[in-house]
Amino acid sequence: QVQLVQSGAEVKKPGASVKVSCKVSGYSFTELSMHWVRQAPGKGLEWMGGFDPENGETIYAQKFQGRLTMTEDTSTDTAYMEVSSLRSDDTAVYYCATDADTGRYARPYYFDYWGQGTLVTVSS
Amino acid sequence: SYELTQPPSVSVSPGQTASITCSGDKVGDTYASWYQQKPGQSPVLVIFEDTKRPSGIPERFSGSNSGNAATLTISGTQAMDEADYYCQAWDSSTGLYVFGTGTKVTVL
Repeated sequence: QVQLVQSGAEVKKPGASVKVSCKVSGYSFTELSMHWVRQAPGKGLEWMGGFDPENGETIYAQKFQGRLTMTEDTSTDTAYMEVSSLRSDDTAVYYCATDADTGRYARPYYFDYWGQGTLVTVSS
Repeated sequence: SYELTQPPSVSVSPGQTASITCSGDKVGDTYASWYQQKPGQSPVLVIFEDTKRPSGIPERFSGSNSGNAATLTISGTQAMDEADYYCQAWDSSTGLYVFGTGTKVTVL
């Protein structure tokens, strides 16, 4: 059974950066393509970016280009998502999500495993 | 950018059928998925690849996808189905993933 366990809540000041981790257990980390989704308070789900099997790189939603970096550490089976130049409207719950059925190098069309979410609060 | 539009809210009586549409340009040309999210919880996949149910999801959840609309149907709705529901698809023209605007289902 795939388990995604995320790091704890963060409080950051505007202009700072935040790095959220997502540790995988119960499945081979290198067989998964990790994606990140966020949800502002009272708002809907917003896909941020994830592994693109077409070129083996990370693809980001346009609105996060230049501020968002997703990385992986295969030695610890952990994925990371870092947002820089934080603004108040970045206050949200951030989720890691993956599809364990498809494999890393095929197109995932859905996300069947989600982390528990990490609340990031941006406030002066 | 590609958009998926859902009605903000749907109300249904217990035991009746609730239908949620997800409108998007040629969404029928790609796979649609649906997620259920209850307050304070992570989303749960209830329908994938238009019509398939993951293990453990009740048979009362079904899906369809054609043309410019995907639909999630909950038959014999129960109080426990009260939640927010989101559709999701992959936009082949950009390689990006998109979530619908979300629908709050209220069981009256």
